[in-house]
Amino acid sequence: QSVLTQPPSASGTPGQRVTISCSGSTSNIGGSSVNWYQHLPGTAPKLLIYDNSQRPSGVPDRFSGSKSGTSASLAISGLQSEDDADYYCAAWDDSLNGRVFGGGTKLTVL
Amino acid sequence: QVHLVQSGSELKKPGASVRVSCKASGYTFTTYAINWVRQAPGQGLEWMGWINTNTGNPTYAQGFTGRFVFSLDTSVSSAYLQISNLKPQDTAVYYCARELPSYSNSRGTWLDPWGPGTLVTVSS
Repeated sequence: QSVLTQPPSASGTPGQRVTISCSGSTSNIGGSSVNWYQHLPGTAPKLLIYDNSQRPSGVPDRFSGSKSGTSASLAISGLQSEDDADYYCAAWDDSLNGRVFGGGTKLTVL
Repeated sequence: QVHLVQSGSELKKPGASVRVSCKASGYTFTTYAINWVRQAPGQGLEWMGWINTNTGNPTYAQGFTGRFVFSLDTSVSSAYLQISNLKPQDTAVYYCARELPSYSNSRGTWLDPWGPGTLVTVSS
């Protein structure tokens, strides 16, 4: 059972906009910045969003992040086939004194 | 470019030990902490802890104390994960990742880049 809660799956067709949610508590998301990682099986996870809404260099602006209270979300607009991957949110948890991940969301581009 | 290169897959028997290496390049190794993350088959990412590359001081997440040891060799810009008394449930891909920004408040840090992962399989 992950500390951060994500939907196990999401889907969309090319060109659509999808949103992935990440729910936590005051001990993690409520007091920490949220990061998002994209993971294709067999490869290294890739940083997608840091500090709630910042995109690293090279990440398309189709990807955006937001945070409100104890929840965060990742939005992907103009969905492309290469976006078919697993997405994880992460934050620091003060109660556990450690980094926590969501359970991951498998995004399928139909 | 910043890269983390990890050692190759390992097949071990229960009770044995394994050491996974993570070699950094493209930056000053001691400027950033290294984190370790595990992904068991069919499961999500699980944070194992981190090591201060300046002091060598490790911090272990709950569930990763005792059999898990983080270490460094700064002369070759490398971090290591050693797991002793391996159990079948240790079968997983183990990732190292650089933590940014440099030694900041943990609440505002992130992991980038990640190594490609090392598959450790424990089976008799």
